[in-house]
Amino acid sequence: SQQGEEDPQALSIQEGENATMNCSYKTSINNLQWYRQNSGRGLVHLILIRSNEREKHSGRLRVTLDTSKKSSSLLITASRAADTASYFCATDSFGNEKLTFGTGTRLTIIP
Amino acid sequence: DGGITQSPKYLFRKEGQNVTLSCEQNLNHDAMYWYRQDPGQGLRLIYYSQIVNDFQKGDIAEGYSVSREKKESFPLTVTSAQKNPTAFYLCASSFIGLDMNTEAFFGQGTRLTVV
Repeated sequence: SQQGEEDPQALSIQEGENATMNCSYKTSINNLQWYRQNSGRGLVHLILIRSNEREKHSGRLRVTLDTSKKSSSLLITASRAADTASYFCATDSFGNEKLTFGTGTRLTIIP
Repeated sequence: DGGITQSPKYLFRKEGQNVTLSCEQNLNHDAMYWYRQDPGQGLRLIYYSQIVNDFQKGDIAEGYSVSREKKESFPLTVTSAQKNPTAFYLCASSFIGLDMNTEAFFGQGTRLTVV
């Protein structure tokens, strides 16, 4: 079973706009992570946020975590064509460190 | 260079055959994972291992087998019992633990096709 569900499933925006995608999960977590996957490739880690953190930044990325709502959001600012990819959230839990992925959001940046 | 390597990149299997996918890491990670990805879908966990000589079933373990004889290696065998094996297979590794950075590193994947 998938722990996380990303929303929306697909998103198309103009280059330069901001992209926001959301992740909801079912059980209490230790860490939540976001990954990017270019078509036909492996996943690349973007950012990790711990359960006791509420917001984290890395370059053009901003991640928020709301443990009361069991949800997280990933904001990509000033999008570029190279940001076109699928984005996944992943969680691990206390006492159960297996990494479980959501269903992903397919982001397309229109030049 | 440190990293995680999967081989082969492409693999063709005949009906009824077992095939083994290789995954090697030199990152000194404790945990290793195998995921299956179908077109346009998310990642589903097949097996994972947190320590040598021990592994756990994931959500879709039926028709697959693994071994963890060395920390660096976690091969996946797709057996003839797996009725729909055509998919993209991803191997990953990470540290584990409460205060650890559990960032996972992925291989480039193996695309398995049944012919």
